[in-house]
Amino acid sequence: AQTVTQSQPEMSVQEAETVTLSCTYDTSESDYYLFWYKQPPSRQMILVIRQEAYKQQNATENRFSVNFQKAAKSFSLKISDSQLGDAAMYFCAYRRMDSSYKLIFGSGTRLLVRP
Amino acid sequence: NAGVTQTPKFQVLKTGQSMTLQCAQDMNHNSMYWYRQDPGMGLRLIYYSASEGTTDKGEVPNGYNVSRLNKREFSLRLESAAPSQTSVYFCASSEAGTGWNEQFFGPGTRLTVL
Repeated sequence: AQTVTQSQPEMSVQEAETVTLSCTYDTSESDYYLFWYKQPPSRQMILVIRQEAYKQQNATENRFSVNFQKAAKSFSLKISDSQLGDAAMYFCAYRRMDSSYKLIFGSGTRLLVRP
Repeated sequence: NAGVTQTPKFQVLKTGQSMTLQCAQDMNHNSMYWYRQDPGMGLRLIYYSASEGTTDKGEVPNGYNVSRLNKREFSLRLESAAPSQTSVYFCASSEAGTGWNEQFFGPGTRLTVL
């Protein structure tokens, strides 16, 4: 069974600095999708960035980028120029590429942004 | 577009009571999901419906039933609520197939069982 592990329960970053959130996963599949979701205090789950396992190029969305290391089964999220609005829970998630639509989530990392 | 809507937003039940959580989406998505989120844990899949007329168990289905009423609506029922079912419940929807199929989430229902 696939598992997703986020080993950092909480991280803190100074406004305008850069922070990296870690995620590792376990799977025997060769093709799959990986996601980072943001959950602000409003509880709304918001997709931040996504990566296809067969693509070697790391995904980037504005200030958000990933470091995808397939062999190491690692998928970290880097937030550059951190803003107060980035404060939230961040969840890493995995999904198989076949018709099984189920997302498997990690336990989350709470990001605090210091002004 | 409202996206994914859930009712109610908050609910308090006594042990043994029943209730139904409602979910609707207006994105014409084929697939719908129910997750629960407990403190210190990520979302865990309770049930999902890959398409209208089908439902399947997820990771934590015990104590729940679901109904895919039509393409838009997917309800979650607790027949006899237990304190262990105190949680935040999220509904989500997505397209079907083998593409990205981004899941769009509702705002959640906070349920407390006393």
